[in-house]
Amino acid sequence: QKEVEQDPGPLSVPEGAIVSLNCTYSNSAFQYFMWYRQYSRKGPELLMYTYSSGNKEDGRFTAQVDKSSKYISLFIRDSQPSDSATYLCASFSGSARQLTFGSGTQLTVLP
Amino acid sequence: DSGVTQTPKHLITATGQRVTLRCSPRSGDLSVYWYQQSLDQGLQFLIQYYNGEERAKGNILERFSAQQFPDLHSELNLSSLELGDSALYFCASSPGGMPTEAFFGQGTRLTVV
Repeated sequence: QKEVEQDPGPLSVPEGAIVSLNCTYSNSAFQYFMWYRQYSRKGPELLMYTYSSGNKEDGRFTAQVDKSSKYISLFIRDSQPSDSATYLCASFSGSARQLTFGSGTQLTVLP
Repeated sequence: DSGVTQTPKHLITATGQRVTLRCSPRSGDLSVYWYQQSLDQGLQFLIQYYNGEERAKGNILERFSAQQFPDLHSELNLSSLELGDSALYFCASSPGGMPTEAFFGQGTRLTVV
Protein backbone atom coordinates (compact mmCIF):
# COMPACT_ATOMS: atom_id res chain seq x y z
CA GLN A 1 0.00 0.00 0.00
CA LYS A 2 1.30 3.43 -0.94
CA GLU A 3 1.59 5.99 1.85
CA VAL A 4 -0.41 8.52 -0.16
CA GLU A 5 -3.27 7.28 -2.33
CA GLN A 6 -4.96 9.41 -4.97
CA ASP A 7 -7.68 8.61 -7.47
CA PRO A 8 -5.99 9.00 -10.88
CA GLY A 9 -9.21 9.99 -12.66
CA PRO A 10 -9.43 11.26 -15.31
CA LEU A 11 -11.97 13.80 -14.14
CA SER A 12 -13.90 15.92 -16.64
CA VAL A 13 -16.16 18.80 -15.56
CA PRO A 14 -17.92 21.72 -17.29
CA GLU A 15 -16.58 25.24 -16.88
CA GLY A 16 -17.85 26.88 -13.69
CA ALA A 17 -18.25 23.61 -11.78
CA ILE A 18 -16.89 23.00 -8.28
CA VAL A 19 -14.14 20.40 -8.40
CA SER A 20 -13.27 18.14 -5.51
CA LEU A 21 -9.93 16.32 -5.53
CA ASN A 22 -9.08 13.88 -2.78
CA CYS A 23 -6.25 11.87 -1.27
CA THR A 24 -5.83 9.58 1.67
CA TYR A 25 -2.65 8.87 3.57
CA SER A 26 -1.54 6.20 5.98
CA ASN A 27 1.49 7.67 7.80
CA SER A 28 0.41 9.37 11.03
CA ALA A 29 3.74 11.22 11.17
CA PHE A 30 2.84 13.40 8.17
CA GLN A 31 2.51 17.03 9.28
CA TYR A 32 2.47 19.06 6.06
CA PHE A 33 0.06 18.50 3.22
CA MET A 34 0.57 20.03 -0.20
CA TRP A 35 -1.25 20.35 -3.49
CA TYR A 36 0.65 20.78 -6.75
CA ARG A 37 -0.59 21.50 -10.24
CA GLN A 38 1.32 20.06 -13.17
CA TYR A 39 0.65 21.06 -16.75
CA SER A 40 1.68 18.65 -19.47
CA ARG A 41 5.47 18.47 -19.93
CA LYS A 42 6.04 21.01 -17.15
CA GLY A 43 7.33 20.84 -13.60
CA PRO A 44 4.91 20.66 -10.66
CA GLU A 45 3.83 24.03 -9.27
CA LEU A 46 2.95 24.39 -5.59
CA LEU A 47 -0.63 25.62 -5.19
CA MET A 48 -0.89 25.62 -1.41
CA TYR A 49 0.09 23.75 1.68
CA THR A 50 -1.46 23.14 5.07
CA TYR A 51 0.18 22.34 8.35
CA SER A 52 -1.70 19.77 10.43
CA SER A 53 -5.51 19.78 10.26
CA GLY A 54 -7.80 22.51 9.05
CA ASN A 55 -8.73 24.55 6.02
CA LYS A 56 -6.78 27.01 3.93
CA GLU A 57 -8.22 29.21 1.22
CA ASP A 58 -6.47 31.00 -1.62
CA GLY A 59 -8.72 32.59 -4.20
CA ARG A 60 -10.74 29.86 -5.90
CA PHE A 61 -8.79 27.11 -4.16
CA THR A 62 -9.48 25.59 -0.74
CA ALA A 63 -7.36 22.88 0.86
CA GLN A 64 -8.74 20.76 3.65
CA VAL A 65 -6.99 18.28 5.91
CA ASP A 66 -8.72 15.92 8.31
CA LYS A 67 -6.03 14.14 10.31
CA SER A 68 -8.56 12.01 12.18
CA SER A 69 -9.61 10.31 8.94
CA LYS A 70 -6.27 10.88 7.15
CA TYR A 71 -8.08 12.63 4.32
CA ILE A 72 -6.78 15.50 2.16
CA SER A 73 -8.99 17.51 -0.18
CA LEU A 74 -8.64 20.32 -2.69
CA PHE A 75 -11.69 22.22 -3.86
CA ILE A 76 -11.66 24.42 -6.94
CA ARG A 77 -14.54 26.86 -7.28
CA ASP A 78 -15.70 28.35 -10.59
CA SER A 79 -13.37 26.03 -12.50
CA GLN A 80 -11.81 27.36 -15.69
CA PRO A 81 -10.40 25.61 -18.77
CA SER A 82 -6.99 26.90 -17.66
CA ASP A 83 -7.35 24.69 -14.55
CA SER A 84 -7.02 21.62 -16.79
CA ALA A 85 -3.92 19.87 -15.49
CA THR A 86 -2.78 17.01 -13.29
CA TYR A 87 -3.15 17.71 -9.58
CA LEU A 88 -0.78 16.02 -7.16
CA CYS A 89 -1.20 15.78 -3.43
CA ALA A 90 1.88 15.33 -1.27
CA SER A 91 2.68 14.87 2.39
CA PHE A 92 5.77 15.56 4.46
CA SER A 93 7.08 14.68 7.88
CA GLY A 94 10.10 16.25 9.54
CA SER A 95 11.34 12.87 10.66
CA ALA A 96 11.42 11.36 7.16
CA ARG A 97 12.53 14.65 5.56
CA GLN A 98 10.98 13.78 2.22
CA LEU A 99 7.88 14.56 0.23
CA THR A 100 5.65 11.61 -0.59
CA PHE A 101 3.39 12.18 -3.58
CA GLY A 102 0.09 10.74 -4.67
CA SER A 103 -0.17 9.44 -8.21
CA GLY A 104 -1.98 12.54 -9.47
CA THR A 105 -5.50 13.23 -10.76
CA GLN A 106 -5.89 14.41 -14.34
CA LEU A 107 -8.53 17.16 -14.54
CA THR A 108 -10.13 18.54 -17.70
CA VAL A 109 -12.43 21.56 -17.50
CA LEU A 110 -14.57 21.78 -20.62
CA PRO A 111 -15.50 25.24 -21.98
CA ASP B 1 9.40 30.45 -14.99
CA SER B 2 10.33 29.07 -11.55
CA GLY B 3 13.95 30.23 -11.73
CA VAL B 4 15.25 26.65 -11.48
CA THR B 5 17.18 25.69 -14.61
CA GLN B 6 17.70 22.14 -15.74
CA THR B 7 19.83 20.97 -18.62
CA PRO B 8 19.51 19.23 -20.96
CA LYS B 9 15.76 19.26 -21.60
CA HIS B 10 15.87 15.98 -23.48
CA LEU B 11 18.36 13.15 -23.49
CA ILE B 12 18.34 9.92 -25.47
CA THR B 13 20.94 7.32 -24.65
CA ALA B 14 21.58 3.60 -24.88
CA THR B 15 21.35 0.97 -22.16
CA GLY B 16 24.54 0.62 -20.14
CA GLN B 17 25.55 4.23 -20.67
CA ARG B 18 26.12 6.99 -18.12
CA VAL B 19 24.58 10.47 -18.18
CA THR B 20 24.77 13.61 -16.08
CA LEU B 21 21.82 15.90 -15.46
CA ARG B 22 22.46 19.43 -14.31
CA CYS B 23 20.45 21.77 -12.11
CA SER B 24 20.96 25.44 -11.30
CA PRO B 25 18.84 26.46 -8.30
CA ARG B 26 17.08 29.79 -7.85
CA SER B 27 19.35 32.57 -6.72
CA GLY B 28 19.90 32.33 -2.96
CA ASP B 29 18.41 28.86 -2.55
CA LEU B 30 20.61 26.52 -0.54
CA SER B 31 18.66 23.26 -0.99
CA VAL B 32 18.41 21.20 -4.13
CA TYR B 33 16.11 18.20 -4.50
CA TRP B 34 16.02 15.56 -7.21
CA TYR B 35 12.85 13.69 -8.18
CA GLN B 36 12.04 11.01 -10.72
CA GLN B 37 8.63 10.88 -12.42
CA SER B 38 7.59 7.81 -14.36
CA LEU B 39 4.22 6.51 -15.49
CA ASP B 40 4.29 3.46 -13.25
CA GLN B 41 5.94 4.92 -10.11
CA GLY B 42 4.67 8.49 -10.20
CA LEU B 43 6.76 11.29 -8.69
CA GLN B 44 9.39 9.95 -6.30
CA PHE B 45 11.92 11.76 -4.16
CA LEU B 46 15.51 10.76 -4.84
CA ILE B 47 17.84 12.94 -2.80
CA GLN B 48 18.29 16.38 -1.20
CA TYR B 49 21.40 18.48 -0.74
CA TYR B 50 21.64 21.48 1.52
CA ASN B 51 24.58 23.85 1.10
CA GLY B 52 26.76 21.12 -0.33
CA GLU B 53 25.87 18.38 2.15
CA GLU B 54 23.51 15.46 1.65
CA ARG B 55 20.41 16.17 3.76
CA ALA B 56 17.91 13.43 2.94
CA LYS B 57 17.84 10.33 0.81
CA GLY B 58 14.83 8.67 -0.78
CA ASN B 59 14.41 5.87 -3.28
CA ILE B 60 17.66 6.47 -5.10
CA LEU B 61 19.29 3.49 -6.76
CA GLU B 62 22.94 2.68 -6.09
CA ARG B 63 23.63 3.29 -9.79
CA PHE B 64 22.57 6.90 -9.27
CA SER B 65 24.56 9.54 -7.43
CA ALA B 66 24.36 13.27 -6.95
CA GLN B 67 26.39 16.13 -5.64
CA GLN B 68 26.05 19.83 -4.96
CA PHE B 69 28.95 22.07 -5.80
CA PRO B 70 30.25 25.17 -3.96
CA ASP B 71 28.34 27.44 -6.36
CA LEU B 72 25.22 25.44 -5.30
CA HIS B 73 24.46 23.92 -8.67
CA SER B 74 23.83 20.20 -8.57
CA GLU B 75 24.39 17.24 -10.82
CA LEU B 76 22.62 13.89 -10.88
CA ASN B 77 24.69 11.07 -12.35
CA LEU B 78 22.91 8.01 -13.70
CA SER B 79 25.05 5.03 -14.68
CA SER B 80 24.58 1.54 -16.15
CA LEU B 81 21.31 2.81 -17.54
CA GLU B 82 18.40 0.45 -18.01
CA LEU B 83 15.22 0.83 -20.04
CA GLY B 84 13.30 1.31 -16.80
CA ASP B 85 15.30 4.44 -16.00
CA SER B 86 13.45 6.28 -18.76
CA ALA B 87 11.57 9.03 -16.94
CA LEU B 88 11.29 12.73 -16.28
CA TYR B 89 13.87 13.92 -13.77
CA PHE B 90 13.01 17.07 -11.87
CA CYS B 91 15.17 19.30 -9.78
CA ALA B 92 13.66 21.62 -7.20
CA SER B 93 15.24 24.22 -4.95
CA SER B 94 14.29 26.01 -1.74
CA PRO B 95 15.86 28.72 0.41
CA GLY B 96 16.15 26.49 3.49
CA GLY B 97 15.77 22.80 4.15
CA MET B 98 12.02 22.48 3.78
CA PRO B 99 10.69 20.94 0.55
CA THR B 100 7.36 22.65 1.27
CA GLU B 101 8.96 25.86 -0.01
CA ALA B 102 10.55 24.37 -3.10
CA PHE B 103 10.12 25.42 -6.72
CA PHE B 104 10.50 22.85 -9.47
CA GLY B 105 12.43 23.12 -12.71
CA GLN B 106 11.03 22.06 -16.06
CA GLY B 107 12.65 18.66 -15.94
CA THR B 108 14.94 16.55 -18.09
CA ARG B 109 13.25 13.86 -20.13
CA LEU B 110 15.53 10.83 -20.28
CA THR B 111 14.89 8.10 -22.81
CA VAL B 112 16.97 4.95 -22.62
CA VAL B 113 16.86 2.84 -25.78
